[in-house]
Amino acid sequence: GAVVSQHPSRVICKSGTSVKIECRSLDFQATTMFWYRQFPKQSLMLMATSNEGSKATYEQGVEKDKFLINHASLTLSTLTVTSAHPEDSSFYICSLGTLYGYTFGSGTRLTVV
Amino acid sequence: SQQGEEDPQALSIQEGENATMNCSYKTSINNLQWYRQNSGRGLVHLILIRSNEREKHSGRLRVTLDTSKKSSSLLITASRAADTASYFCATAPIGQGGKLIFGQGTELSVKP
Repeated sequence: GAVVSQHPSRVICKSGTSVKIECRSLDFQATTMFWYRQFPKQSLMLMATSNEGSKATYEQGVEKDKFLINHASLTLSTLTVTSAHPEDSSFYICSLGTLYGYTFGSGTRLTVV
Repeated sequence: SQQGEEDPQALSIQEGENATMNCSYKTSINNLQWYRQNSGRGLVHLILIRSNEREKHSGRLRVTLDTSKKSSSLLITASRAADTASYFCATAPIGQGGKLIFGQGTELSVKP
């Protein structure tokens, strides 16, 4: 199946700063990628669908201006958490789907202090 | 809520016992998948069952799907301490671009 590389695995940032998370598809041209967020002891919540060359589709309740998604190439999607606050601290995971199934990145643990 | 429901939310059993987790979902689906997640780690895909399948096996795992009731179950037989993890079902609703919607998860603890 496809291989997805997600970086960084952990990041600590100060409140008010922005953090960029990268999700790379190493061996598959991904026109669509998905971004999830997971709070402690909770399930994965879909944040948005990243579409190559066009705007991302955000789920209800997810702030587009706060969570900027860029999918400029078939192998890279980025999620930027802008003006991060402690309540944005979470585990962020990207995913892509192929004919053979879904592949998930290893996740990024974001801590905002 | 976009999520389906899983029960139980937490399950504690002894090694060797069987563990059964249930999942209900809300929309028509292409397939349903089960994932495992160790604490603070990424997801591991366990098994996928298509909407036209009723039962599927993989090693010690048995998954059933009842599309009329919009429900699925995951059975882990002869559990081991290493099976301790969170288990999530995920559905791919028809006509929604392939996105996965996750259930709330079951936290399984297998005691040696």
